[in-house]
Amino acid sequence: DGGITQSPKYLFRKEGQNVTLSCEQNLNHDAMYWYRQDPGQGLRLIYYSQIVNDFQKGDIAEGYSVSREKKESFPLTVTSAQKNPTAFYLCASSTPGLVSGELFFGEGSRLTVL
Amino acid sequence: GQNIDQPTEMTATEGAIVQINCTYQTSGFNGLFWYQQHAGEAPTFLSYNVLDGLEEKGRFSSFLSRSKGYSYLLLKELQMKDSASYLCAVMDSNYQLIWGAGTKLIIKP
Repeated sequence: DGGITQSPKYLFRKEGQNVTLSCEQNLNHDAMYWYRQDPGQGLRLIYYSQIVNDFQKGDIAEGYSVSREKKESFPLTVTSAQKNPTAFYLCASSTPGLVSGELFFGEGSRLTVL
Repeated sequence: GQNIDQPTEMTATEGAIVQINCTYQTSGFNGLFWYQQHAGEAPTFLSYNVLDGLEEKGRFSSFLSRSKGYSYLLLKELQMKDSASYLCAVMDSNYQLIWGAGTKLIIKP
């Protein structure tokens, strides 16, 4: 079955450590996205990529980094520079331009900083 | 600035009908989307409106009025499994999605 796989589902990190969240899709989608979800707030875009080897900053990119070396993979690194990293992170993919409006989401990764 | 407003929480009874409203102010408009998100899970796509009017899909319908910057999601014959958060999102002139904070819907027997 096609879909998006995020790992790990739960992650604990000490302050000052970098962590990398994995996102893999087998939907053959060109576009991939990383969102952050906090209680009482809408999804906020961290980074997005519309093609391999290219990505753009979203609204809250500071303290995060990404890579897009393969079409299927879009890992997110939460660096120690991110001041408040505890959140639910969602990876998504779509056909370019979101013509149909449908984003396919992974199950999410919940990061807690101790 | 860009803004999407939805009620924070709503309660309804199993078997009844509920309407979840969404108002928006965005830089341009290229469509409005509704997603369902169960607690701790990924959002799943429900509907997409780009023209004024009502789109019906089974028990769920979504309405759009572009002149009023307004949409609603109508859920009929409510079931316990409909307990979830419902997210409204608008695609702006740059084809970026602006998300509301979501409406938590609680279904009571």
